[in-house]
Amino acid sequence: AQKVTQAQTEISVVEKEDVTLDCVYETRDTTYYLFWYKQPPSGELVFLIRRNSFDEQNEISGRYSWNFQKSTSSFNFTITASQVVDSAVYFCALSEGTSGSRLTFGEGTQLTVNP
Amino acid sequence: DTGVSQNPRHKITKRGQNVTFRCDPISEHNRLYWYRQTLGQGPEFLTYFQNEAQLEKSRLLSDRFSAERPKGSFSTLEIQRTEQGDSAMYLCASSTPLGTSGHNEQFFGPGTRLTVL
Repeated sequence: AQKVTQAQTEISVVEKEDVTLDCVYETRDTTYYLFWYKQPPSGELVFLIRRNSFDEQNEISGRYSWNFQKSTSSFNFTITASQVVDSAVYFCALSEGTSGSRLTFGEGTQLTVNP
Repeated sequence: DTGVSQNPRHKITKRGQNVTFRCDPISEHNRLYWYRQTLGQGPEFLTYFQNEAQLEKSRLLSDRFSAERPKGSFSTLEIQRTEQGDSAMYLCASSTPLGTSGHNEQFFGPGTRLTVL
């Protein structure tokens, strides 16, 4: 069975600090996909990134970067120079196989960036 | 393209009543998903459609829940004889057809918040 664990329930930082959100996953499949979504106070989930299990290259997009390590089953998300607008709940999610079906979400990490 | 839309945005009902929610996916997306999210938790998968076919249902989807996508476009989720435990945010998502990229990301609507009194 697939499972996603986000051990950090809440993180609070001061603006301009770097922050890393942890995600650990469990799956028996060799083909799987990992995702990060952002849920701001307005409530709508916003897609941030997708990674497949065969691509372990780290990715950087502006102030966002992702570190995928199959050896530790982790897919961590770092925000550099955080801003107040980054305040949101961030979810890591997993989907197994090539059929493209359910996403299994972690419980989310509430990030608060204080001015 | 305005993204995934859901109606109503809020629904308050009394226990025992039936409710129906609607989801309109992004127009070229052939896959449509329903999730439920309770306070402080991540979304939980309920069911998904490829075109008009319902391909997977979660064990969370009791026999009081039914979902349809009759013409492969919009979808409805009905809850019969609502219970207080059904209070949650019901999220709809859609995705493009699978191609060589394998598994495409899902785009979510704003959700319908259900409160059962």
